[in-house]
Amino acid sequence: KQEVTQIPAALSVPEGENLVLNCSFTDSAIYNLQWFRQDPGKGLTSLLLIQSSQREQTSGRLNASLDKSSGRSTLYIAASQPGDSATYLCAVTMNTGFQKLVFGTGTRLLVSP
Amino acid sequence: DGGITQSPKYLFRKEGQNVTLSCEQNLNHDAMYWYRQDPGQGLRLIYYSQIVNDFQKGDIAEGYSVSREKKESFPLTVTSAQKNPTAFYLCASSIYYPAISGANVLTFGAGSRLTVL
Repeated sequence: KQEVTQIPAALSVPEGENLVLNCSFTDSAIYNLQWFRQDPGKGLTSLLLIQSSQREQTSGRLNASLDKSSGRSTLYIAASQPGDSATYLCAVTMNTGFQKLVFGTGTRLLVSP
Repeated sequence: DGGITQSPKYLFRKEGQNVTLSCEQNLNHDAMYWYRQDPGQGLRLIYYSQIVNDFQKGDIAEGYSVSREKKESFPLTVTSAQKNPTAFYLCASSIYYPAISGANVLTFGAGSRLTVL
């Protein structure tokens, strides 16, 4: 059974810091890995998707890496801003007939001015 | 604007009552999903539907029911058989790619928060 773990569960940093969020998964038979952002009481917004054959994806100040063999992904946020405060979730798409997503529990990020 | 609309945003239920959460999308997506989110836990899949008039159980389907009579709509009924229904419910949709492509990007609604009184 696939298990997705995110560390740390919560993170508080001052504005301007670079930071790394971690995601690990137990079964490497995945199609892709996605990073989502969730604001309090809201739905999820997809940030980055990395295919299993890729090593990283970049969007603006965000960079996500994937090491499928070791079951790890990182989300790097450069020059953090208060507007980055949210919960970040990673999810893997399983390599099955139905493309089931398995979600991690999330990292709650607070960026202080 | 294309998107997913969930209603109501907040819902209160008395024990023993059935309630239905609405999910409508105008993205022309084939696949639709219902997830449940509890504090400190990841999203868990309740039901999903890949095409009209067809749906499948997810990991935690007990106490829930769905229908998919139209492509745009995928309502979720929380029945009295669901013992702990207080949670945040999220609906999502995606273009259903064949498994070979492996690029299933989901679009989520804003969620519905259900509280049992």
